Amino acid sequence: DAGITQSPRHKVTETGTPVTLRCHQTENHRYMYWYRQDPGHGLRLIHYSYGVKDTDKGEVSDGYSVSRSKTEDFLLTLESATSSQTSVYFCAIRLAGMADTQYFGPGTRLTVL
Amino acid sequence: QKEVEQDPGPLSVPEGAIVSLNCTYSNSAFQYFMWYRQYSRKGPELLMYTYSSGNKEDGRFTAQVDKSSKYISLFIRDSQPSDSATYLCAMSHGSSNTGKLIFGQGTTLQVKP
Repeated sequence: DAGITQSPRHKVTETGTPVTLRCHQTENHRYMYWYRQDPGHGLRLIHYSYGVKDTDKGEVSDGYSVSRSKTEDFLLTLESATSSQTSVYFCAIRLAGMADTQYFGPGTRLTVL
Repeated sequence: QKEVEQDPGPLSVPEGAIVSLNCTYSNSAFQYFMWYRQYSRKGPELLMYTYSSGNKEDGRFTAQVDKSSKYISLFIRDSQPSDSATYLCAMSHGSSNTGKLIFGQGTTLQVKP
């Protein structure tokens, strides 16, 4: 168990409000990732981090920002939520010594009304 | 065209059947190939991973990679109702430091008792 928690697990918010999702890991993994999962699209990478304060964009980064001020926490922020950002969000960490395999958190179900 | 294509199904089989799940890809630079299983409302969990071409077996599961055809497969022998889930293939370049994965959209499998 790589010890990943995500909070909140469920959230309903309104269009235009800011939202922050938190991913917390307990084992000092260097690489962390944020994905969204939507029907017909599978998992798509939003942003990833390769260390404290080191982040980069994924394929669907528009409308999202991230921050990593501590190794254990990777935050995903929707500055002004839109209905198109209704999705399930997963955080993942890269497992050391296992090629590029990743271990996923339990997910956050976000609904933007 | 997506880099990784996977038939979404759903695929319905009787208990005990042999199941074949497949993905095709277009990028010949992919080196690592993975299969994840995802139960409803849960995060993806790693089933198997392979490097380059060849077969890998783990209990009732066998992963095959054919790089010449850009085709990967997951076989499940003696399928059980507990195998009912969505199966996602994923791939990476291996030589990149980012560890980014490209996912297929997933195949939903139902094993009927």
